[in-house]
Amino acid sequence: DIQMTQSPSSVSASVGDRVTITCRASQDISSWLAWYQQKPGKAPKVLIYAASTLRSGVPSRFSGSGSGTDFTLTISSLQPEDFATYYCQQANSFPPTFGQGTKVEIK
Amino acid sequence: QVQLQESGPGLVKPSETLSLTCTVSGDSISSYYWSWVRQPPGKGLEWIGYFYYSGSTNYIPSLKSRVTISLDTSKNQFSLKLSSVTAADTAVYYCARAPNWGRYYFDYWGQGTLVTVSS
Repeated sequence: DIQMTQSPSSVSASVGDRVTITCRASQDISSWLAWYQQKPGKAPKVLIYAASTLRSGVPSRFSGSGSGTDFTLTISSLQPEDFATYYCQQANSFPPTFGQGTKVEIK
Repeated sequence: QVQLQESGPGLVKPSETLSLTCTVSGDSISSYYWSWVRQPPGKGLEWIGYFYYSGSTNYIPSLKSRVTISLDTSKNQFSLKLSSVTAADTAVYYCARAPNWGRYYFDYWGQGTLVTVSS
């Protein structure tokens, strides 16, 4: 199975801050990567797929980049509703696997 | 607006079979990939398997011997059965949809249902 490793595991930030989360795959997954946001007690919501394609309706402050094994999710200006846990997930090969999550907390 | 809704018992005894149903509204189940994903309390996400509307299935190897996912097109539902459960199967179970072009991109999710395995 492909292992997905996110860093950091948690980050404390203030409203308006720029936040970057990284995700590393244990092998080349091309651009087959998605990012999800999950709030407590809720289902994950896809933000980005194909590494950098923003899902319709997702605010443009979210962006994704990378290919191969290294990827990043950037929130350009953190908003109150962005405090949540973020997961990367590889969609390149069976079985699909998720990172362990990055919790974005209020500073 | 596509919506998915899980239903089923919230408590299952050890060694018994966990059975959940996902009802899909707003779109036909006769397309797309239909998956189940679970999340143990306080932990990360684990994909369980999918049923493709054409009839093909695929399951994560660690659960393959215990899992069955099936579709009921007449009710626009799909279901999960997980046999011989143990406490390690306690989790929130989500149903999710993936498009034909990306079988592992989960674009719509149910709200999730907590299943506890306990006697």
